[in-house]
Amino acid sequence: DVKVTQSSRYLVKRTGEKVFLECVQDMDHENMFWYRQDPGLGLRLIYFSYDVKMKEKGDIPEGYSVSREKKERFSLILESASTNQTSMYLCASSLWGGNTEAFFGQGTRLTVV
Amino acid sequence: GQQVMQIPQYQHVQEGEDFTTYCNSSTTLSNIQWYKQRPGGHPVFLIQLVKSGEVKKQKRLTFQFGEAKKNSSLHITATQTTDVGTYFCAGITSGTYKYIFGTGTRLKVLA
Repeated sequence: DVKVTQSSRYLVKRTGEKVFLECVQDMDHENMFWYRQDPGLGLRLIYFSYDVKMKEKGDIPEGYSVSREKKERFSLILESASTNQTSMYLCASSLWGGNTEAFFGQGTRLTVV
Repeated sequence: GQQVMQIPQYQHVQEGEDFTTYCNSSTTLSNIQWYKQRPGGHPVFLIQLVKSGEVKKQKRLTFQFGEAKKNSSLHITATQTTDVGTYFCAGITSGTYKYIFGTGTRLKVLA
């Protein structure tokens, strides 16, 4: 079974802190994604990557950056955390292209105080 | 940018009643996928539709892709308490790797 693992299930950070969310997949998938999930807004794409060192902005990239130095790992970075970044963050991966299913991690609930 | 909307946002049904959620994209899609997220869980893939007008069934679930490939629906016949969760569609546009998720429909089933 494909496994997508996020480093933390719950995280509490202070305003202004630099925050790293890590995601690792074990099935050699080409694509990796970061979404945030908020009530009534669904899953909104922050960034995605279709290859090592390649990244593209999603719909809400402001205040975030990403890093993909190895194929299996995709990191989301909040440069200076703000309270409006309190949310559930979901990482996903898919084999290639846009016609294979996406596998999700268990999510990280981030609270910025 | 591309948007995918779903209606309704919430639906409460009595066990045994039918349920339908609708997904509409602002752009023509290459394919559409459906996911289910149980309370406290993460989205899990259900199915993918690729062809215009395609209809697929999984037991009590029927999925349909519109002729213009801009809308889709998921219909559940005779809901059960195990159907509780949030159902998302995800639209994929030709030539991109982006999965644009809809806003989701949260289903509650009353026993």
